[in-house]
Amino acid sequence: AQKVTQAQTEISVVEKEDVTLDCVYETRDTTYYLFWYKQPPSGELVFLIRRNSFDEQNEISGRYSWNFQKSTSSFNFTITASQVVDSAVYFCALTGGYNKLIFGAGTRLAVHP
Amino acid sequence: EAGVVQSPRYKIIEKKQPVAFWCNPISGHNTLYWYRQNLGQGPELLIRYENEEAVDDSQLPKDRFSAERLKGVDSTLKIQPAELGDSAVYLCASSLGTSGNNEQFFGPGTRLTVL
Repeated sequence: AQKVTQAQTEISVVEKEDVTLDCVYETRDTTYYLFWYKQPPSGELVFLIRRNSFDEQNEISGRYSWNFQKSTSSFNFTITASQVVDSAVYFCALTGGYNKLIFGAGTRLAVHP
Repeated sequence: EAGVVQSPRYKIIEKKQPVAFWCNPISGHNTLYWYRQNLGQGPELLIRYENEEAVDDSQLPKDRFSAERLKGVDSTLKIQPAELGDSAVYLCASSLGTSGNNEQFFGPGTRLTVL
């Protein structure tokens, strides 16, 4: 069975702090994809990144970076120098062959000025 | 380019009443998904369409939920009769194809409250 675990329910930081959101997944598929989505208070899920199971290279996009480690089945997300606009719920998700997204429970990030 | 459109954005009904949600996917997207998101949880897939065919409805409570995607474009999700536990956000998403590397684009959702 496929499963995504986001152990951190809520994180609170002060602006400019770095913050890492953890994601651990379970799957028996050899080919799979991992995603991060952002859900701001407006409710719409915003795609942040997709990573396939054969590409373990870390990725950096501006203040965002992702660390994928197959050995520990983790796909962690770091925001550097956090800003108030980063406040949202962040979801890690996993999909196998037929694009059925399995979401974690989400981590609510609050960035305070 | 227009994103996924959903209506209504909010709906409040009394239990045992029927309710319907509408979704228009991104133009050209053959695959359409309906998810339900309970408070404090991640979305869960209810049904997936490939054009007008429902190819995965294993999570859809078929005793009270129904969905259709006539002509393979927009879709309607219906609940009849609604129960208190149906209160949730119903999200529609679409993608170009079904392989795992196809990004799903989500609509703003319909927040349903059943009293």
